[in-house]
Amino acid sequence: DAGVIQSPRHEVTEMGQEVTLRCKPISGHNSLFWYRQTMMRGLELLIYFNNNVPIDDSGMPEDRFSAKMPNASFSTLKIQPSEPRDSAVYFCASSFAGVSGNTIYFGEGSWLTVV
Amino acid sequence: KQEVTQIPAALSVPEGENLVLNCSFTDSAIYNLQWFRQDPGKGLTSLLLIQSSQREQTSGRLNASLDKSSGRSTLYIAASQPGDSATYLCAVRQGSSASKIIFGSGTRLSIRP
Repeated sequence: DAGVIQSPRHEVTEMGQEVTLRCKPISGHNSLFWYRQTMMRGLELLIYFNNNVPIDDSGMPEDRFSAKMPNASFSTLKIQPSEPRDSAVYFCASSFAGVSGNTIYFGEGSWLTVV
Repeated sequence: KQEVTQIPAALSVPEGENLVLNCSFTDSAIYNLQWFRQDPGKGLTSLLLIQSSQREQTSGRLNASLDKSSGRSTLYIAASQPGDSATYLCAVRQGSSASKIIFGSGTRLSIRP
């Protein structure tokens, strides 16, 4: 399997623009997580889905952030409008819930810079 | 609310030494605990996963232990090498296999040749 695939890998955008980050989880996995990592705050869970349904979005910082998972093989994280403080690395991760183990696998991240 | 803490934030040791990284968590009702490695500019790579019913897991020079009642886990690295230099993060999954995963802030490890 190719692992968790994220795009874009790097994005630089101007304040106020819309940003859409994309994620393809590992085939067969039924849990998907979006994390944000910064030097100051470390790795923060933004939202996670089970079977395409959002379970906990309490980590989404504000209404400018939204996430969708229209099917088992695709998810998006959207920021609109973007602000400089949104600059961070955004990770998508997936796992299979329901069996012992259920290791979580991470993508390589989307490096976002808002100027 | 679960909180995961890793101390120290940074550690530097000479090559060849054995070392221990620490992780503590406030809520003992965990499903499992996982240790990750992160290299600069990269994603996270899973090293070891310990189920709540287990006491330890081993992989090569790595050994992870779990004491759920005291809310602690350790990652033991034997005969450290410069290639072990990275940030090590622990993460706990709450309650069930479908629950969220909370990360510690990591320990940045540097192995001096």
